Amino acid sequence: GNSVTQMEGPVTLSEEAFLTINCTYTATGYPSLFWYVQYPGEGLQLLLKATKADDKGSNKGFEATYRKETTSFHLEKGSVQVSDSAVYFCAVNNAGNMLTFGGGTRLMVKP
Amino acid sequence: EADIYQTPRYLVIGTGKKITLECSQTMGHDKMYWYQQDPGMELHLIHYSYGVNSTEKGDLSSESTVSRIRTEHFPLTLESARPSHTSQYLCASSEDRGRYTEAFFGQGTRLTVV
Repeated sequence: GNSVTQMEGPVTLSEEAFLTINCTYTATGYPSLFWYVQYPGEGLQLLLKATKADDKGSNKGFEATYRKETTSFHLEKGSVQVSDSAVYFCAVNNAGNMLTFGGGTRLMVKP
Repeated sequence: EADIYQTPRYLVIGTGKKITLECSQTMGHDKMYWYQQDPGMELHLIHYSYGVNSTEKGDLSSESTVSRIRTEHFPLTLESARPSHTSQYLCASSEDRGRYTEAFFGQGTRLTVV
């Protein structure tokens, strides 16, 4: 079956710092890759996605590139804000129609 | 903006009580899911449904039950709540789009059993 491994958190950064959250996956076939974000007290929201190799998903200043050769989908942002403090989940979906989530990475941004 | 709603948002209830967590979506999605989220944040799939009258157990064994009598409604029931059931419960839905399938989540119900 599919699996997703994310870097352990919490990740603590100062405002305007550069963010990387690592994500690697195991899946057969040609999966789609997703990043979801969960703000405090809320459900998950789709942040960005990529559906084929070398695609770059982007939204709200966040980016992630689908790297099939390294089976990775690392999340990056050039300058984080306090409002980016949340839990981030990487997910994979191949033709099985079921998302497989990583364990989540908590990001804390200090002013 | 996704149209999937969970009620209640917060529930504190005594041991032994029967509870039902409601989940409704207005997007006409066939697939619906229930996840349990532990304090360590990890999501565990406990139930899912491919459509009306379809229910399946997920990866994590749960004492809860679900029903799917209408496309838009996927309630979760605990017949006798226990403190071990204290958790965040997230409902989600999706279209059938193969590997492009993305899920839409409700805001969650935080359940505390005392």
